[in-house]
This record gives sequence, structure tokens and C-alpha cells, in this order.
Amino acid sequence: DIQMTQSPSSLSASVGDRVTITCQASQDISNHLNWYQQKPGKAPKLLIYDVFNLGMGVPSRFSGSGSRTDFTLTISSLQPEDIATYYCQQYDDLPYTFGQGTRLEIK
Amino acid sequence: EAQLVESGGGLVQPGGSLRLSCAASGFIVSSNYMSWVRQAPGKGLEWVSILYSGGGAYYADSVKGRFTISRDNSKNTLYLQMNSLSAEDTAVYYCARTPWDWGQGTLVTVSS
Repeated sequence: DIQMTQSPSSLSASVGDRVTITCQASQDISNHLNWYQQKPGKAPKLLIYDVFNLGMGVPSRFSGSGSRTDFTLTISSLQPEDIATYYCQQYDDLPYTFGQGTRLEIK
Repeated sequence: EAQLVESGGGLVQPGGSLRLSCAASGFIVSSNYMSWVRQAPGKGLEWVSILYSGGGAYYADSVKGRFTISRDNSKNTLYLQMNSLSAEDTAVYYCARTPWDWGQGTLVTVSS
């Protein structure tokens, strides 16, 4: 199975900060990577698909980058409504594994 | 607008069975990749199963041989039949129109 490793596991930042979350795959997954946002008590929501494409209605302060094994989710200016846990997921090979999640809090 | 509504969760004894349903609207289930993903209490997301539009179905090793994903085209509904349940299967189960839309989830609790 492809292992997805996110870092950090948790993160505390201030409103307006630039925030970066990384996701590393245990093998080359090309551009087959999505990011999801899960707010407390809610279902996950597609944030970014195919590495860098924004999901429907996702603010432009979110962006994704990377290729092969190393990927990044960036929030250019953190807003209070961005408090959530973020997950990467690879869909290059079954099973379509998730990262362990990064919990983002406001400082 | 796509909408997914799961149902069928509840409390079941170890070794028991449960069938989850995911009623879809705003799109055709059989034309999409449909998945089940679960989340144990306080834990991360775990991919469970996928049903491709062409009919191919795949499972996580942790549920293979016990869970079956299927769809009813006439009802535009996705299912997950879960047998031989154990405490490790306790989780909120989400269905998803992969990767675009997710349901609100249904809680399955396996306990005596």
C-alpha cells in the first residue's frame, strides 16, 4: 500500500499567517493527489484535486503544488473559518490511502 | 446540486450485520465513481471501498471478504453490506461521489 505522511500533525497559527502543510507519498503517485478539509463535526469537503485544482467554491487563498512524492497545501492568509483538519489522499493505486491529517488551530 | 444522504447506521452486536444506504440526487450514481470512507471516533479518514462506473469494486484489506459495495440504479442508491462486524468497525461511514461530494455520514457502533 502507498503510505501518505503529512506534516505537521498539528499546527497553530495566527489570522493572516501563511500556512503550509506537506504530504509525502511512499512512492511516485504522479499528480494523483487530492486535499480535503474537515471542520469539526462535519463531513470532509474536497478542497483541491489533481494537486492544484481548486474545488467548487474554494477560496483562492488555498493552493496546492507538488509532484511525484512531495506535495504541499498552502493557505496564503489564514482566516478563522479555516480551522479544520486537512487530509491528503492519493488515488494513484488501490487502496486510495489518506494521510493521517493535520489539525489547524488559531493561535 | 449533488446530494448524498446516508442511512442504516446504528448499534449492532459483534458478529452482526448491517446494510448502509446512500441515496443520491442531482447526479446518476451508476455514471460516477462511488466510495465509502469511514472515520473511527477521534481518528482520521480510512478508505473502505470503491465502486467504479464500469462495475468494478475494490476493498480495503481490513474489510475484504466481509463488506460488499453495490448500487441500485433504479433507486439511484449506493449500498454497503457489512457482515461479521467487530468493534474495530465502529465509525462514522461516509459515502462519496469520488472525489467531489460527500454525505453527512452515518454512525455504526459495534458493541455488546
